[in-house]
Amino acid sequence: AQKITQTQPGMFVQEKEAVTLDCTYDTSDQSYGLFWYKQPSSGEMIFLIYQGSYDEQNATEGRYSLNFQKARKSANLVISASQLGDSAMYFCAMREVESGAGSYQLTFGKGTKLSVIP
Amino acid sequence: DTGVSQNPRHKITKRGQNVTFRCDPISEHNRLYWYRQTLGQGPEFLTYFQNEAQLEKSRLLSDRFSAERPKGSFSTLEIQRTEQGDSAMYLCASSGQLRLSDEQFFGPGTRLTVL
Repeated sequence: AQKITQTQPGMFVQEKEAVTLDCTYDTSDQSYGLFWYKQPSSGEMIFLIYQGSYDEQNATEGRYSLNFQKARKSANLVISASQLGDSAMYFCAMREVESGAGSYQLTFGKGTKLSVIP
Repeated sequence: DTGVSQNPRHKITKRGQNVTFRCDPISEHNRLYWYRQTLGQGPEFLTYFQNEAQLEKSRLLSDRFSAERPKGSFSTLEIQRTEQGDSAMYLCASSGQLRLSDEQFFGPGTRLTVL
């Protein structure tokens, strides 16, 4: 079974509108972390936002917020006021503590390609 | 620029040749990761170093792959007898503290094409 599932291969959003990118995850760990990364066409992975499994409040970082629903095992990324520069691949990733190796490696989903339309 | 750097950025080679990639992590980071990203997929973990010790290897890392991190600074990833299936983007990442919330800082990647 996939540990991270991103069901939207591609999404379009009008400039200045908000968009939600979906992510569901599968783990039996009690302690884990969820990350979102942005990958522009240049290839570099850029960290956007983090949510810990024990965090009671949804994480926010500027225009990015994470809609964390623990019981549903979902961690959707919300981008408000989309900009043309937001066009990129977006990856959801998970770090597990108990079942993950001691390396704290990240397990990534397949990504969602976001295109912002002027 | 004090980010993670990788060289070369692009490598084209013929099947059966050996290739070596280099990663220079952020200087104060003692943890270094290699990932492989194929077309249409997210990055997949290959191996992990803490300082100079290689502490974990994925089953994706066949015996044709070897990674080193001498002196706990830069790291190299070598692929021997390359195959067309090795064509991918190879990403290096580093991190400092081993905390659940710590992000990994990624380099720009090395794109390998095996002809």
